Amino acid sequence: AQTVTQSQPEMSVQEAETVTLSCTYDTSESDYYLFWYKQPPSRQMILVIRQEAYKQQNATENRFSVNFQKAAKSFSLKISDSQLGDAAMYFCAYSRFADKLIFGTGTRLQVFP
Amino acid sequence: ETGVTQSPTHLIKTRGQQVTLRCSSQSGHNTVSWYQQALGQGPQFIFQYYREEENGRGNFPPRFSGLQFPNYSSELNVNALELDDSALYLCASSQGGGDSSYEQYFGPGTRLTVT
Repeated sequence: AQTVTQSQPEMSVQEAETVTLSCTYDTSESDYYLFWYKQPPSRQMILVIRQEAYKQQNATENRFSVNFQKAAKSFSLKISDSQLGDAAMYFCAYSRFADKLIFGTGTRLQVFP
Repeated sequence: ETGVTQSPTHLIKTRGQQVTLRCSSQSGHNTVSWYQQALGQGPQFIFQYYREEENGRGNFPPRFSGLQFPNYSSELNVNALELDDSALYLCASSQGGGDSSYEQYFGPGTRLTVT
């Protein structure tokens, strides 16, 4: 069975600095998708970034980028130039094509001015 | 483009009662997935509907059931409510099948409290 592990329950960063959130996963599949979702106090889960396993190039979305290490089954999220609005729970998730998302337990990110 | 909406926002029920939660999918999406998120946890997959048929189910008992309608909106029904059913219920829609991106877009959730 596939599993997703986030080993950092909480992280903090100073505004304008860079922070990296860690995620590891376990699967026997070679084709799959990985995602980072953000859940602010408003509760709505927002897609931050997506990575296809068959792509070697790491995904980037503005200030957000990932370090995808397929052999190590590692998928970390780097947030550059952190902003107060980045404060939220961040969930790493795995999916095989169009079916269920398997989530980690989340990392709470605090951003200090 | 209309996003995913859910109703109601909050709900309080008594143990043993039945509840129906509703979800309207994003325009153009034909797939709806339901997740249960207990306090302090990541969401857990309940089931998914694709073009009105159940297309996968997580480790939830049969008292959790669902429907998808021709307009691709969906309902989650929970019978014989238990205290442990207290959670945030999230609905997500996506464009399943074919050359889709498989991205799921979430609604704001329904907070269910069972007393």
